[in-house]
Amino acid sequence: AQTVTQSQPEMSVQEAETVTLSCTYDTSESNYYLFWYKQPPSRQMILVIRQEAYKQQNATENRFSVNFQKAAKSFSLKISDSQLGDTAMYFCAFMGYNFNKFYFGSGTKLNVKP
Amino acid sequence: GAVVSQHPSWVICKSGTSVKIECRSLDFQATTMFWYRQFPKQSLMLMATSNEGSKATYEQGVEKDKFLINHASLTLSTLTVTSAHPEDSSFYICSARDLGGRNTGELFFGEGSRLTVL
Repeated sequence: AQTVTQSQPEMSVQEAETVTLSCTYDTSESNYYLFWYKQPPSRQMILVIRQEAYKQQNATENRFSVNFQKAAKSFSLKISDSQLGDTAMYFCAFMGYNFNKFYFGSGTKLNVKP
Repeated sequence: GAVVSQHPSWVICKSGTSVKIECRSLDFQATTMFWYRQFPKQSLMLMATSNEGSKATYEQGVEKDKFLINHASLTLSTLTVTSAHPEDSSFYICSARDLGGRNTGELFFGEGSRLTVL
């Protein structure tokens, strides 16, 4: 079975600085999708960034980028120039290539301090 | 991205009553929707997979008779919490994938429904 592990329950970063959130996963599949979702206090889940396992190039979305290490089964999220609005819970998620179930990590609470 | 709407966003009910939560895909057809439950400061726990026109698939440990799921159309799935008790109080979130032209694998989430059982 697939598992997703986020080892950092909570992190803090100063505004404008850079922070990296860790995520590891376990799977026997060769093709799959990885995601980072953000859940602000409103509780609405928002997609931050997506990575397809067969693509070697790390995904980037503005201030958000990932470090995808397939062999190590690692998928970390880097947030550059942190903003107060980035304060939220961040969930790493895995989905198999057959679009079956979605597996979420336990989440990392990020606090951006002014 | 695709829009998933969930209603009601907040509901309070008395113990022993039933509550229905609706999940609609507004601009795409969703043959499959997922229902999650989220406890405070915890991750999303998959409860069941709702399949249009067929029975839902429940995760281990989830009572199918307590959490009734109906997926009667390609744009609507409902979760009914039957004979609700205070321990059923939680945040329930639905999600769906757009497997049509915008198939990107990602899940689109509803706004969530906070259920409080008195």
